[in-house]
Amino acid sequence: DTEVTQTPKHLVMGMTNKKSLKCEQHMGHRAMYWYKQKAKKPPELMFVYSYEKLSINESVPSRFSPECPNSSLLNLHLHALQPEDSALYLCASSHLRTTNTEAFFGQGTRLTVV
Amino acid sequence: DAKTTQPNSMESNEEEPVHLPCNHSTISGTDYIHWYRQLPSQGPEYVIHGLTSNVNNRMASLAIAEDRKSSTLILHRATLRDAAVYYCILKGSGGSNYKLTFGKGTLLTVNP
Repeated sequence: DTEVTQTPKHLVMGMTNKKSLKCEQHMGHRAMYWYKQKAKKPPELMFVYSYEKLSINESVPSRFSPECPNSSLLNLHLHALQPEDSALYLCASSHLRTTNTEAFFGQGTRLTVV
Repeated sequence: DAKTTQPNSMESNEEEPVHLPCNHSTISGTDYIHWYRQLPSQGPEYVIHGLTSNVNNRMASLAIAEDRKSSTLILHRATLRDAAVYYCILKGSGGSNYKLTFGKGTLLTVNP
């Protein structure tokens, strides 16, 4: 199984809502990532978890709150978002111990904030 | 992170080879060169990576210049399914070697 599964595929939320994005992988990867991608732009790294601990936060606003409850799951909790946060949110995972391994990406959650 | 430079777009014809260039003049000795591609409405997918020697896999070949300041991704026979944005990424081998930073990439159009 070389799949990273993201749910939901699409999400529309109001600025006062609280919602969560979910990501799951069963490849035994101990690094998991959240990226944000605006239309016609490259993915931008938001967070990295290694061994279920947050290791990189690329100065992301606190209205985005990541969580890694176990080695297979990664969540992104959303609260009080702005319309400019509308984007494709991508999850990825990779091994940590192997030198220069490849990352596997999910298909993303397309988020619209209204 | 060391920077890469790629053409914004390239065009190819189906069943012809495609050579996608990438310049990385500030590459360090321990940086690996990775290529990912992103098909429309999908997440990025790994294509190939290398350090010094040329590399081949079922998807593509990677030719790395002797001074490592540039590389070329080669698709031997382009198909319509190869139309995508191709990203050349330098990935360190140090403490944050798992961090992937995407540049602007090259939009490849394949004509039937």
